[in-house]
Order: sequence, then C-alpha cells, then structure tokens
Amino acid sequence: DAGVIQSPRHEVTEMGQEVTLRCKPISGHDYLFWYRQTMMRGLELLIYFNNNVPIDDSGMPEDRFSAKMPNASFSTLKIQPSEPRDSAVYFCASSLRRRPTYEQYFGPGTRLTVT
Amino acid sequence: DQQVKQNSPSLSVQEGRISILNCDYTNSMFDYFLWYKKYPAEGPTFLISISSIKDKNEDGRFTVFLNKSAKHLSLHIVPSQPGDSAVYFCAAYNTDKLIFGTGTRLQVFP
Repeated sequence: DAGVIQSPRHEVTEMGQEVTLRCKPISGHDYLFWYRQTMMRGLELLIYFNNNVPIDDSGMPEDRFSAKMPNASFSTLKIQPSEPRDSAVYFCASSLRRRPTYEQYFGPGTRLTVT
Repeated sequence: DQQVKQNSPSLSVQEGRISILNCDYTNSMFDYFLWYKKYPAEGPTFLISISSIKDKNEDGRFTVFLNKSAKHLSLHIVPSQPGDSAVYFCAAYNTDKLIFGTGTRLQVFP
C-alpha cells in the first residue's frame, strides 16, 4: 500500500486566497483525521470522519476552515480566505478502528505558507 | 487547555546513553497511550503504545512506563543511536481520537 497520500506537499499563497489541501487515506481505513502542526500547539486535531461522515469538528479554528469527505478514498481541507496565521504543516491521517492499538497512519503533510 | 503535556521541548543525549522523554496528562479517563516519532519533512510514525491496565511495555530498545497515579508516562530509549534523533510526540486515546502533546526534539550526538 502507498500509505496516506497528501497533495500538494508545499503551498505558498497570498492572504485572502482560497487554499485546498487534499488527502487519500489508506484503502480500507474507516477513520480519517486532519491535524495542524505548529510550534506552540504541537499536533492539533482539526476534524475527523468515520465512514465519510464528520464526527467531531470542534478543532476547526474558524468558519474559514471547512472539510469534506465525498467518498472513502478522498478528503479535502479548505481555507477560505487564508490568513498568515494559518501558516503551518497540515497532516492527514487514517486508521482502522478495529485494530486494538488505535494506531493512526500519517501522510507526509502539506506545508502551507500564507504571505 | 493542554490535556497532554510534554514540558521539555528538547533533549540532547550522547550516543549509547539512555534517553528519557516525559509526558504528563490531566484526564484520568484516558485508557491508551501512544508514542509517535517524527523526522523532518515526514509525517509522524507510530513507535510504541501502552494500555492503562499495564505499567510497562517494551519493544526492543524502546520501553514505555505508565504511572497512573501520577498521570505520567515516559519513553526510555536504550541505547540511544544517532538515528533516533527526531521529534517525539506522546498521545492519549479518547473516544476515537488521539490527543497529542507538543513534542520533544531529541538529538543524539556521537
């Protein structure tokens, strides 16, 4: 398996622009998570899905952030409009709940820079 | 409010010696804990875990200790190797999701 795939790997955009981050989870995994990594807060959970349904979006910082999972193999995280404070590394992770270790598999991340 | 805390942002250890990374948590309902390792420009990868019914779990050079009364867990790496240089995150499991700490950057020098 190719693992969790994220695109783009790097994104540089200007303040006010729309940004869309993409994720393909590991085939067969029924949970998908979006995280944001910053120096101050470490790895923050933004939102997670179970069987394509959003379960908990309490970590989404503002209404400017939205996430969708139209099918089991694709999810997007959108920021509109983007602001400089959104600059961070965004990770997508997937997991199979039935595993006893609760292990999550992370993608390589998207480094977002908003100028 | 940080439910999982890693109070040491960095640690430097000589090769061959023991590395001890610490983590504290506030929620006594957490029943499973994990450590992840992250290299630059990569996503975190699972390293080792422990259930709350245990106080120790060992996997090769890595051992995790859990002290429930103190709400404290630690990761021991013995012996430390230069390839262990990375950022280490502890995480606690809570109803389908993991709550991560802020990470500790470990540097192992020759």
